[in-house]
Amino acid sequence: EAQVTQNPRYLITVTGKKLTVTCSQNMNHEYMSWYRQDPGLGLRQIYYSMNVEVTDKGDVPEGYKVSRKEKRNFPLILESPSPNQTSLYFCASSSTGISFTGTLHFGNGTRLTVT
Amino acid sequence: AQSVTQLDSHVSVSEGTPVLLRCNYSSSYSPSLFWYVQHPNKGLQLLLKYTSAATLVKGINGFEAEFKKSETSFHLTKPSAHMSDAAEYFCVVSDGSSNTGKLIFGQGTTLQVKP
Repeated sequence: EAQVTQNPRYLITVTGKKLTVTCSQNMNHEYMSWYRQDPGLGLRQIYYSMNVEVTDKGDVPEGYKVSRKEKRNFPLILESPSPNQTSLYFCASSSTGISFTGTLHFGNGTRLTVT
Repeated sequence: AQSVTQLDSHVSVSEGTPVLLRCNYSSSYSPSLFWYVQHPNKGLQLLLKYTSAATLVKGINGFEAEFKKSETSFHLTKPSAHMSDAAEYFCVVSDGSSNTGKLIFGQGTTLQVKP
């Protein structure tokens, strides 16, 4: 089954303790992206990757890191989490061409709480 | 710069009546536009997309949207609401002319369907 898998689904951590949220897709998609969803703000793009070893900042990249060493995986790293990073996080992937018209396939989300 | 505004944060309709969810966009180039739906505790799912072909776009579950360049709008409609349509809906814009993965999400509209 074609899917985007995020882990974990729920995570509670403390300020400053490094964490990684994993994202994996089995559709051989070039494009992958991370979003955070906060009430009243919709989804905001954190980072995206057009292909392996190619990543770029979205609108809210501060406090986050990503890597794209393999096509299927796109982990989100919080080196020193802070309470303002408490949010619902989504990973998404898409096949894409010259202009971005692809359908995004979303994971089921990771709810992160930083105390 | 791109932006998208969903004009209603909350819409309530009765089952069997029409649905209208409003979206205005701003884009320097010819945009690609999308509507996504999010059911509770789920990731987002594509309803429909406009990518410079026909201006009236039909999507899944009886939804459709019309791209109106003169009004910079991309409103989502459905002739008759069903209880299962209750969800949050997001309008999304992409700069269709450049090879970028940046997507801008609207703030979301919660659709309530009353029996």
